[in-house]
Amino acid sequence: LAKTTQPISMDSYEGQEVNITCSHNNIATNDYITWYQQFPSQGPRFIIQGYKTKVTNEVASLFIPADRKSSTLSLPRVSLSDTAVYYCLVGNGATNKLIFGTGTLLAVQP
Amino acid sequence: SAVISQKPSRDICQRGTSLTIQCQVDSQVTMMFWYRQQPGQSLTLIATANQGSEATYESGFVIDKFPISRPNLTFSTLTVSNMSPEDSSIYLCSVEGQGGYEQYFGPGTRLTVT
Repeated sequence: LAKTTQPISMDSYEGQEVNITCSHNNIATNDYITWYQQFPSQGPRFIIQGYKTKVTNEVASLFIPADRKSSTLSLPRVSLSDTAVYYCLVGNGATNKLIFGTGTLLAVQP
Repeated sequence: SAVISQKPSRDICQRGTSLTIQCQVDSQVTMMFWYRQQPGQSLTLIATANQGSEATYESGFVIDKFPISRPNLTFSTLTVSNMSPEDSSIYLCSVEGQGGYEQYFGPGTRLTVT
């Protein structure tokens, strides 16, 4: 299963768009990609899921290039409350193998 | 989405003892998962638990150390056996959402072994 890596941290200001990239070079054909947000002392919270191309929901967009070796979570107009750790997860529905990325600490400043 | 609770929320245990962590879901689910998250680190899958079958363990985790029960579709337990300080971590359970891709997590159990 794909080994997933992310930048350790990112800084942003309120109102900016933030893009967090996850690298999963060994992703398999049947693997899917999901992203989670985690606040201190809480379990991760599901944000978005995709397989290829672009997916958008009410809180984020997910961009996946054709080779699927990376994915980018885009958060529009971040606020202070978006300060959290963001994880990508590559999973396989058939085998239930689930690999979390290394996590990116996003710090949003006023 | 599912609402998941875990007990205990935290505990301090002596080495050599065992602790059983409970995970309760507010709806019936097929797939439940147990993770370990060491301080400041990412999550590592310990095992997958389906009701009515033996849990499937990931590489590096064994049933003797982390026995799991899954007696029904809303409940599971994870036992951390013969604990050592290296077992100090946060243990989280999760369930698979209806879409088959998303997971919903409990708040975690913070375990400290002295």
